[in-house]
Amino acid sequence: DGGITQSPKYLFRKEGQNVTLSCEQNLNHDAMYWYRQDPGQGLRLIYYSQIVNDFQKGDIAEGYSVSREKKESFPLTVTSAQKNPTAFYLCASSVPTGSYTEAFFGQGTRLTVV
Amino acid sequence: AQKVTQAQTEISVVEKEDVTLDCVYETRDTTYYLFWYKQPPSGELVFLIRRNSFDEQNEISGRYSWNFQKSTSSFNFTITASQVVDSAVYFCALSERTNAGKSTFGDGTTLTVKP
Repeated sequence: DGGITQSPKYLFRKEGQNVTLSCEQNLNHDAMYWYRQDPGQGLRLIYYSQIVNDFQKGDIAEGYSVSREKKESFPLTVTSAQKNPTAFYLCASSVPTGSYTEAFFGQGTRLTVV
Repeated sequence: AQKVTQAQTEISVVEKEDVTLDCVYETRDTTYYLFWYKQPPSGELVFLIRRNSFDEQNEISGRYSWNFQKSTSSFNFTITASQVVDSAVYFCALSERTNAGKSTFGDGTTLTVKP
């Protein structure tokens, strides 16, 4: 079945460590996105990529990095520079333009700093 | 800058009641998309509806209906005869027409439907 797979579902990180969240899609979508969700709040855009080997910062990119070496994959690294990384992270993909343009979301990764 | 406001943080109803979730948005764009997503306890966001800014027709899908009024910048969502399975967090979102996945989300409305 087509969809978006995020792994792991739960992740624990010690302060000062970098950690990478995985996002893979088999929907053949060009665009991919990373969002952060904090309790009681909506989603905020971290980074997005509309094509392989290209990506742009979203509203809250500081302390995060991404790569887009393959169309199917868009990993997110939470660096030690991110001051408050504990959150729920959602990856999404979409066709940028055209009739069917809603975003498809993965099941999320819950990151906790211990 | 784009902004989406969902003024209702939490709503609690008894099963079979009708409930309306409000969404008000701000944008300077003349063309845009509006969305509603459902987030069950499992965490993933489930797409419910997309509305193009040029299309102000209201839409009904089973027990769900949506009222888009461009004049008041509102895109409200009504569940008729609510059920316990409707309990979730509901998000309204606004995006550019050329990049629908790059969305501005409201803070969500938590709907609890009691049996």
